[in-house]
Amino acid sequence: DGGITQSPKYLFRKEGQNVTLSCEQNLNHDAMYWYRQDPGQGLRLIYYSQIVNDFQKGDIAEGYSVSREKKESFPLTVTSAQKNPTAFYLCASSDQGWRSGYTFGSGTRLTVV
Amino acid sequence: AQTVTQSQPEMSVQEAETVTLSCTYDTSENNYYLFWYKQPPSRQMILVIRQEAYKQQNATENRFSVNFQKAAKSFSLKISDSQLGDTAMYFCAFMPWGHTGTASKLTFGTGTRLQVTL
Repeated sequence: DGGITQSPKYLFRKEGQNVTLSCEQNLNHDAMYWYRQDPGQGLRLIYYSQIVNDFQKGDIAEGYSVSREKKESFPLTVTSAQKNPTAFYLCASSDQGWRSGYTFGSGTRLTVV
Repeated sequence: AQTVTQSQPEMSVQEAETVTLSCTYDTSENNYYLFWYKQPPSRQMILVIRQEAYKQQNATENRFSVNFQKAAKSFSLKISDSQLGDTAMYFCAFMPWGHTGTASKLTFGTGTRLQVTL
């Protein structure tokens, strides 16, 4: 079945460390997105990518980095510059018919210890 | 920039009853899409229903329907015959239409937590 796989489901990071969250899709979608979810704040866009080797900052990109070397993959790195990284992270994708909305992964819960 | 407002942080409804979740948005766009997503305790985001702004007819998906008022920039979700499985966080979302490229950003509201009780 086609879908989006995020790994790991839970991730713990020590302060000062960089960590990378994985997002893989087999839907042949062109566009991919990373959102951060915090209680009471809904989902906020971190980065998005329309095609391979291209990506754009979202509303809260500071302290994060991404790459898009393959159509199927859009990893997110949470750097030590991110002051408050503890959150739930959701990856999503959409195709040329983005009017149907996004397909979401099951998320990664990142906790700083 | 677009904003989406959900003014009801929490709601409760009894099983088999009807409940309406509110959503308002602010945009200068004329063409756009609106969505309701459901996030159950598993935290998987599930598309419930979508509405094209150029369509006057309100969208319906089984027990879920919307009341889309374009002039008022309002997009409420009605859930009929509520079921225990409807217990979830519900997010309203806005997407502009007609932009170049394949990526179009979804802007989400802060969500309404719905509890369905016996």
